[in-house]
Amino acid sequence: GENVEQHPSTLSVQEGDSAVIKCTYSDSASNYFPWYKQELGKGPQLIIDIRSNVGEKKDQRIAVTLNKTAKHFSLHITETQPEDSAVYFCAASRATDSWGKLQFGAGTQVVVTP
Amino acid sequence: DVKVTQSSRYLVKRTGEKVFLECVQDMDHENMFWYRQDPGLGLRLIYFSYDVKMKEKGDIPEGYSVSREKKERFSLILESASTNQTSMYLCASSLRDIGEKLFFGSGTQLSVL
Repeated sequence: GENVEQHPSTLSVQEGDSAVIKCTYSDSASNYFPWYKQELGKGPQLIIDIRSNVGEKKDQRIAVTLNKTAKHFSLHITETQPEDSAVYFCAASRATDSWGKLQFGAGTQVVVTP
Repeated sequence: DVKVTQSSRYLVKRTGEKVFLECVQDMDHENMFWYRQDPGLGLRLIYFSYDVKMKEKGDIPEGYSVSREKKERFSLILESASTNQTSMYLCASSLRDIGEKLFFGSGTQLSVL
């Protein structure tokens, strides 16, 4: 089955700097790659996703890039702000079924210091 | 907005007790999921359901069962709680047509003593 590895496990950045989180996946048939953000005391929330027919997707200060050949994808957060502090999870799935069996990475704790 | 509500934020139970975790969603989603979240392990799928009375095992179903008698409600059952089931439990739901876009509840932190 699919295996998703996520690095780093913790990331501390100064406010205004950029943050990058990287994930690798094992199943070449995976074609859907979402990123979830989990704030303290809340459940994870989808913030951005990308499908395998797209190399990059951007939404304001966040962007995701995908390298299908190398089987890795990354989340980029620019101009970080204190409210970006959270745990971020990457995930991968085949998305061929009507239900979403996502395989999640272990998570990255991002701390943005003022 | 989709709302997924989990009945308890914190729960403390004793070893051997039968434990029920309840989840309700209000957006008529077909799919519902139970995940377990542990530090360093991410989110692991326990069970999911794509319709009323239907259930499928996830990656770590041992020691758990589920019930889906109504479309909006999905229950996770620990038949005989053990200390290694101490964890954060997250419920999620999604529409059939875009099944991979999950909406999560806030979680139930279960401690088994």
